[in-house]
Amino acid sequence: EDQVTQSPEALRLQEGESSSLNCSYTVSGLRGLFWYRQDPGKGPEFLFTLYSAGEEKEKERLKATLTKKESFLHITAPKPEDSATYLCAVRKGGSEKLVFGKGTKLTVNP
Amino acid sequence: GAGVSQSPRYKVAKRGQDVALRCDPISGHVSLFWYQQALGQGPEFLTYFQNEAQLDKSGLPSDRFFAERPEGSVSTLKIQRTQQEDSAVYLCASRIGPNEKLFFGSGTQLSVL
Repeated sequence: EDQVTQSPEALRLQEGESSSLNCSYTVSGLRGLFWYRQDPGKGPEFLFTLYSAGEEKEKERLKATLTKKESFLHITAPKPEDSATYLCAVRKGGSEKLVFGKGTKLTVNP
Repeated sequence: GAGVSQSPRYKVAKRGQDVALRCDPISGHVSLFWYQQALGQGPEFLTYFQNEAQLDKSGLPSDRFFAERPEGSVSTLKIQRTQQEDSAVYLCASRIGPNEKLFFGSGTQLSVL
């Protein structure tokens, strides 16, 4: 069964303190790994799609990387506005649905 | 607006009532999805439409859940005889094509008392 596990469940950082979020997955025939950001009361907002091991993508202070078993979302010098829940999801070949993890709730203190 | 619009934003139902949740996708978006998100959990897939065709409904939890998109645009998720375990946020998402990113609405928060 396809499974996505995110760790830690919650993370508190000081402004400027870099860290990484982890997403471990088991899926047959990965067709894409997705990172989303979700603010309270809002729907998930797309950040990145990664398709193959070794791929990396960056956007402002965020960088996503992918291996055959996990993905990392690196946050460099975070700011309070980066506070949100970060969701990881996978899609497998032959399916259109995304399987999400439970998310990591990130809090960045000023 | 340019985003995915869902209504109502909040819905309170008594157990046993029927509810209907509406989704207006981004204009021109072919694919439409419904997800259910319980408190503290990630979204869980319910169903998928391509235009008016419902291609995957494997995530619908019971035959009390029904979704339609008759003209390939607006979609409605209907839940009959609501139960307390149906309480969740129901998210709608759309995309223009198969390899394009998914845009989510803000969801309908359903509370069944």
